[in-house]
Amino acid sequence: SQTIHQWPATLVQPVGSPLSLECTVEGTSNPNLYWYRQAAGRGLQLLFYSVGIGQISSEVPQNLSASRPQDRQFILSSKKLLLSDSGFYLCAWGMSSSGEQYFGPGTRLTVT
Amino acid sequence: EDKVVQSPLSLVVHEGDTVTLNCSYEVTNFRSLLWYKQEKKAPTFLFMLTSSGIEKKSGRLSSILDKKELFSILNITATQTGDSAVYLCVGNYGGSQGNLIFGKGTKLSVKP
Repeated sequence: SQTIHQWPATLVQPVGSPLSLECTVEGTSNPNLYWYRQAAGRGLQLLFYSVGIGQISSEVPQNLSASRPQDRQFILSSKKLLLSDSGFYLCAWGMSSSGEQYFGPGTRLTVT
Repeated sequence: EDKVVQSPLSLVVHEGDTVTLNCSYEVTNFRSLLWYKQEKKAPTFLFMLTSSGIEKKSGRLSSILDKKELFSILNITATQTGDSAVYLCVGNYGGSQGNLIFGKGTKLSVKP
């Protein structure tokens, strides 16, 4: 069966510090991978998606970047965090043949 | 602009009640509509609906899609406290990447 891991679960970082969140998927090959952010009181917003190694599409202009160095690894990064980067970050995987996506446990980021 | 609108935004009921959650959508290149349940962390998948008028059922939960009127409902019968969660309605607008657009959710609280 498929499993998706994210870490860390929670993170408190000062403004201007770098960020690296990691997501890995087990039990499937060549999945589509996604990074979402859920800000307080708002719906999930798609940040990045990837259909393969090294292929990243950005949905919104922002302070963040993503990379996919391996088939089942997806990394979300920032060089300098802003207060507005605070939120709940979710990684998800899905297969292009269906609309379902399956979410990791999430990382709650607080930028102070 | 694509959008998914859920109503009500929040709902408080007592155990044993039946609830109906509403979702209307305007999604270009619509492929499917999904429902997720989000408790404290990551959303968990409930249903994917692609055809009008065909009810999907899982235990006390059921859902149906109307592609002509562009809405879906999620019914929960004989509610239990464990049903307390945010229920997310999600439009899939297709493409090989399987992108999703999320509603803001309906927060359901079930009181004992």
